[in-house]
Amino acid sequence: RKEVEQDPGPFNVPEGATVAFNCTYSNSASQSFFWYRQDCRKEPKLLMSVYSSGNEDGRFTAQLNRASQYISLLIRDSKLSDSATYLCVVMRGTGNQFYFGTGTSLTVIP
Amino acid sequence: DTEVTQTPKHLVMGMTNKKSLKCEQHMGHRAMYWYKQKAKKPPELMFVYSYEKLSINESVPSRFSPECPNSSLLNLHLHALQPEDSALYLCASSQLQKETQYFGPGTRLLVL
Repeated sequence: RKEVEQDPGPFNVPEGATVAFNCTYSNSASQSFFWYRQDCRKEPKLLMSVYSSGNEDGRFTAQLNRASQYISLLIRDSKLSDSATYLCVVMRGTGNQFYFGTGTSLTVIP
Repeated sequence: DTEVTQTPKHLVMGMTNKKSLKCEQHMGHRAMYWYKQKAKKPPELMFVYSYEKLSINESVPSRFSPECPNSSLLNLHLHALQPEDSALYLCASSQLQKETQYFGPGTRLLVL
């Protein structure tokens, strides 16, 4: 079983739409969780860390459910510039080792 | 400043060549990483250095040889590569007590 599973999409949504991405992880010892964004032919960039209490940054909301080993990202009022691949990333407590999901591709259409 | 720099941006090499990729960060991070990324796939971890010592080697072939000369620099020496090694090679760094990794722009490698 993969460490991190994501729906690869693609998600094609109109501008202004709300879109949600989901991710599950297999190892209950995982301690840190992130969403990274990767534009075509660019490096991954941190979008936000994910905390158990849930956290919000502008139009982006991340949630973590440790009992279900499930992470989500909600994007409200989608912009054209949100088009990218969104990578779910999980880290265990030791070793600084990232486990990446396969990424979810989002295209926001005018 | 959360910048990781990598050189060169692009590299084309033959299977008999020897080349090196370079990565630099000045954020005081003590963990540095090499990843390989193929098109439409997530990054795959190759090596992790903590305090300039190799802590993780993900069964990478010996034709890839990492080196950490000091806390700011990370090199990846390449020798006798195969065409299937063509990929984007990403460097990242992080503080050891904080897990967020910051990625460099990558070196796009083509092996002919």
